Amino acid sequence: AQRVTQPEKLLSVFKGAPVELKCNYSYSGSPELFWYVQYSRQRLQLLLRHISRESIKGFTADLNKGETSFHLKKPFAQEEDSAMYYCALVTKGGSNYKLTFGKGTLLTVNP
Amino acid sequence: NAGVTQTPKFQVLKTGQSMTLQCAQDMNHEYMSWYRQDPGMGLRLIHYSVGAGITDQGEVPNGYNVSRSTTEDFPLRLLSAAPSQTSVYFCASSFNRGGNTIYFGEGSWLTVV
Repeated sequence: AQRVTQPEKLLSVFKGAPVELKCNYSYSGSPELFWYVQYSRQRLQLLLRHISRESIKGFTADLNKGETSFHLKKPFAQEEDSAMYYCALVTKGGSNYKLTFGKGTLLTVNP
Repeated sequence: NAGVTQTPKFQVLKTGQSMTLQCAQDMNHEYMSWYRQDPGMGLRLIHYSVGAGITDQGEVPNGYNVSRSTTEDFPLRLLSAAPSQTSVYFCASSFNRGGNTIYFGEGSWLTVV
């Protein structure tokens, strides 16, 4: 069965420091991975998807199939990055499409 | 288009009452789903649907019913509310194929007393 693990519930850094939010997954097929962000009392919104290999708001994430990881990184954290971050795995079984979330990491960027 | 619309945003229920959380999307998405978000538990899938007339259970389906009579709507029914169902509920939708963005509603804060 597929699983997404975010080992840190809470992560606190200072403004300007590098930040890395960890995500590991288990899935026997070819994974599609996403990072979603939820700012205080707002809806979840897509931050990154691995197939796009893009950088959004200074964040990047690289899929490492050998380590089954999709860690989210930013070299210089900003206060507005404070939010809950969810790693998500999309899998397909037959014609069905299933999205599994990790438990989330609450990032706090201190001034 | 409006995206994913959820109502109500806030609701207080008494134990044993029933209610329906509404979810609608105007993007012609096949896939719709309901999640609950609880502190320390992340997002847990309640039910999902891959098209009109097709629904399936997720990780935590007990106490909830769904139906999908149209592509646009995916209501979540609480049959007999319990305090354990106090949570924030999110509806989400996407096209039913990989690589597509999943869009979320704004959330519904439900308290069962």
